[in-house]
Amino acid sequence: QVQLQESGPGLVQPSETLSLTCSVSGGSMRNYYWSWIRQSPGKGLEWIGYIYFGGAINYNPSLGSRVSISLDMSNNQFSLRLTSVTAADTAIYYCARVVVVGYHDFWGQGTLVTVS
Amino acid sequence: EIVMTQSPATLSVSPGERVTLSCRASQSIGTNLAWYQQKPGQTSRLLIYGASTRATGVPARFSGSGSGTELTLTISSLQSEDFAVYFCQQYHKWPLTFGGGTKVDI
Repeated sequence: QVQLQESGPGLVQPSETLSLTCSVSGGSMRNYYWSWIRQSPGKGLEWIGYIYFGGAINYNPSLGSRVSISLDMSNNQFSLRLTSVTAADTAIYYCARVVVVGYHDFWGQGTLVTVS
Repeated sequence: EIVMTQSPATLSVSPGERVTLSCRASQSIGTNLAWYQQKPGQTSRLLIYGASTRATGVPARFSGSGSGTELTLTISSLQSEDFAVYFCQQYHKWPLTFGGGTKVDI
């Protein structure tokens, strides 16, 4: 059974950079896409972006150039960086595995990040 | 982007009842829709993909139907473990988008 676990600071100051890591266990990262998704009370679930094991990346245009996702297959991890954060970036952040067509079959439990 | 609208926002039901949740897309998404179940303290669970295909291990009481802009998740006989938040997600076009969720409670 594939398991995902998010980790990173729970509190980030405004204008700073949010950095999270997702550790994947129970399966290979090959041949899958890997997503970051966030959930805030005001906006519901928002897909942030994904990365493919081969290196292809796709971001939600709503986040512009603030977001970047990277992959570390040697450690079975992928990471999220979101720059210039504001209170609007306060949310529970989830990582998830993407079946190639675009739905998510395994999720992490989520980690709350507060910008304050 | 495609806007996904779920209704109702909250549904109060009793165990054993039949439940129908709606997901409406702002433009046609064919059958490129997934349904998920979310419970506190647990990871989100994929229930349905391709609008009507149950994911591995999902009980037969869960069924998905519809295509285009009107899609539905039905729970034929609600069990106590089904009280949760359900949300839909389209994967017809990028960016991927989710509905606001329907909370099913007692």
